[in-house]
Amino acid sequence: KAGVTQTPRYLIKTRGQQVTLSCSPISGHRSVSWYQQTPGQGLQFLFEYFSETQRNKGNFPGRFSGRQFSNSRSEMNVSTLELGDSALYLCASSLQAHEQFFGPGTRLTVL
Amino acid sequence: QQQVKQSPQSLIVQKGGISIINCAYENTAFDYFPWYQQFPGKGPALLIAIRPDVSEKKEGRFTISFNKSAKQFSLHIMDSQPGDSATYFCAALHTGNQFYFGTGTSLTVIP
Repeated sequence: KAGVTQTPRYLIKTRGQQVTLSCSPISGHRSVSWYQQTPGQGLQFLFEYFSETQRNKGNFPGRFSGRQFSNSRSEMNVSTLELGDSALYLCASSLQAHEQFFGPGTRLTVL
Repeated sequence: QQQVKQSPQSLIVQKGGISIINCAYENTAFDYFPWYQQFPGKGPALLIAIRPDVSEKKEGRFTISFNKSAKQFSLHIMDSQPGDSATYFCAALHTGNQFYFGTGTSLTVIP
């Protein structure tokens, strides 16, 4: 069974631009969560989608948004990029409420 | 506010030694406590998890000790190996809500 895939793996953007990251969950998994990982901060929860509906949302500004499609694939968008948005963005899918399977992440660098 | 506090930030252990990583939480509604292992360039992978009705869980060389009254839990890695060198994250979940992660512990096992 294929794991969670994320595209692109690396991305370089400049301040003020916007970016869209994509996540394909494990087949059959309907829940997709997004996290921001930075050194010293660990993983910070962005949001979770289940069956195309946002089920939980973390404490991030409205510049961060996401959506989920009918095939459970998910995208997250960050508008008006800031230097502090440079991070590894991780996507995790789950079949049951507890066990999350993470993708390799997208490394975003904002210049 | 950090919902889950993890220590130490980094740890160096001799091969064959015991690695111990500690986490503390405040929210008594948390009902699931996993540990994740992350290698460079990879997403976190579930290592072992425990529920609060159990005081200890062992899987191979990895053991979680859980102290409900103290609101603390720890990961013990017995007979630590160089291949265990990675970053370890504790996490906590209140079912139906989001995961909260610790800030991570970088473990180095010296041959």
